[in-house]
Amino acid sequence: DAMVIQNPRYQVTQFGKPVTLSCSQTLNHNVMYWYQQKSSQAPKLLFHYYDKDFNNEADTPDNFQSRRPNTSFCFLDIRSPGLGDAAMYLCATSLNTGAYEQYFGPGTRLTVT
Amino acid sequence: DAKTTQPPSMDCAEGRAANLPCNHSTISGNEYVYWYRQIHSQGPQYIIHGLKNNETNEMASLIITEDRKSSTLILPHATLRDTAVYYCIVNQAGTALIFGKGTTLSVSS
Repeated sequence: DAMVIQNPRYQVTQFGKPVTLSCSQTLNHNVMYWYQQKSSQAPKLLFHYYDKDFNNEADTPDNFQSRRPNTSFCFLDIRSPGLGDAAMYLCATSLNTGAYEQYFGPGTRLTVT
Repeated sequence: DAKTTQPPSMDCAEGRAANLPCNHSTISGNEYVYWYRQIHSQGPQYIIHGLKNNETNEMASLIITEDRKSSTLILPHATLRDTAVYYCIVNQAGTALIFGKGTTLSVSS
């Protein structure tokens, strides 16, 4: 089945130690998104790619970066994780930026120690 | 900020219809109404979306009022697996989804 895959499902990192989360998709969608969801809160968009064009949300901290080397893969890099960055990170895709639904992966739960 | 208002929680008996309301009184003419749900510890799942007309798919029906200031998501025969947080989102096509707090639907037997 076509799907959105996130690895790993659970990630533990140390305070200040860079960490990379990965997302891959078999849907061949043009748009890929990264959301952050803290405990008991709604998902919050960090940034998205339309093809290779990167679109950052205004309030996304500089500590968060992203790479999309090809259509299928997208990475979230956290350069210096703080305790406040512990959250579920959700990757999503959509065919285009029109009125298309987004397909979400299962998420990666990040713990910062 | 989210442009929608939803009740924080609702209960529904298994087998009955679940009607989830959403207010979006400031909706613009080119904004869609989307519904997603999130089952505990999973990623959100798309349910349905609409602009003006009522919509139905295999999961649910979406009823949008004529003035478009509110809508209702209908799950015709709720099951225990429909227990989730349901998000009503209003946005223009092609822009980012902004999630509000959603409604926690609890389906019980």
